[in-house]
Amino acid sequence: QKEVEQDPGPLSVPEGAIVSLNCTYSNSAFQYFMWYRQYSRKGPELLMYTYSSGNKEDGRFTAQVDKSSKYISLFIRDSQPSDSATYLCAMIPIYNQGGKLIFGQGTELSVKP
Amino acid sequence: DSGVTQTPKHLITATGQRVTLRCSPRSGDLSVYWYQQSLDQGLQFLIQYYNGEERAKGNILERFSAQQFPDLHSELNLSSLELGDSALYFCASSVSGTGVHEQYFGPGTRLTVT
Repeated sequence: QKEVEQDPGPLSVPEGAIVSLNCTYSNSAFQYFMWYRQYSRKGPELLMYTYSSGNKEDGRFTAQVDKSSKYISLFIRDSQPSDSATYLCAMIPIYNQGGKLIFGQGTELSVKP
Repeated sequence: DSGVTQTPKHLITATGQRVTLRCSPRSGDLSVYWYQQSLDQGLQFLIQYYNGEERAKGNILERFSAQQFPDLHSELNLSSLELGDSALYFCASSVSGTGVHEQYFGPGTRLTVT
């Protein structure tokens, strides 16, 4: 079983829809949670970064962490065709001595005009 | 553009060969990370260097090695290549040795082993 599970999709939504992307994890030591966006043939870019439980909002993006359920979410409001990409969750355990990111498989999102 | 550069963009080689992938971090970043992305395994951490020294190691094969030079650029060496080594190889950099600072990813090197 992978440490981080993420539904690979693909997920297809109409423009303007609210998108919900999710990851579950098994390691209770994960303390830092990130969402990366990866366009086709490009490197991942950091969208959101949260520490421990709670919500964080940045424009149309909201990240939620529920450590009791070992579940994190990324919500995209008013989705746009330019949001079409693969979204990867990533985590770092609190005991990490370096910067090793543990990634989910990624969810492929397509926003149709 | 993240500021991280990787060369070459594409590499096609035969089984049994050896290749070197190169990464230049963003100006001011001291840490370099290498990741492998394949369809079946996803994005996997290989190794991290901080200011010239190895800081963390993932499930990197013994056939693979890396180093970070005094000018902070890094090279990932892959030897005795197998078909299963075909993947995208990403380099990332961050200012510190702990990943709680943002890791900036390069555009990747696509390796095809035939």
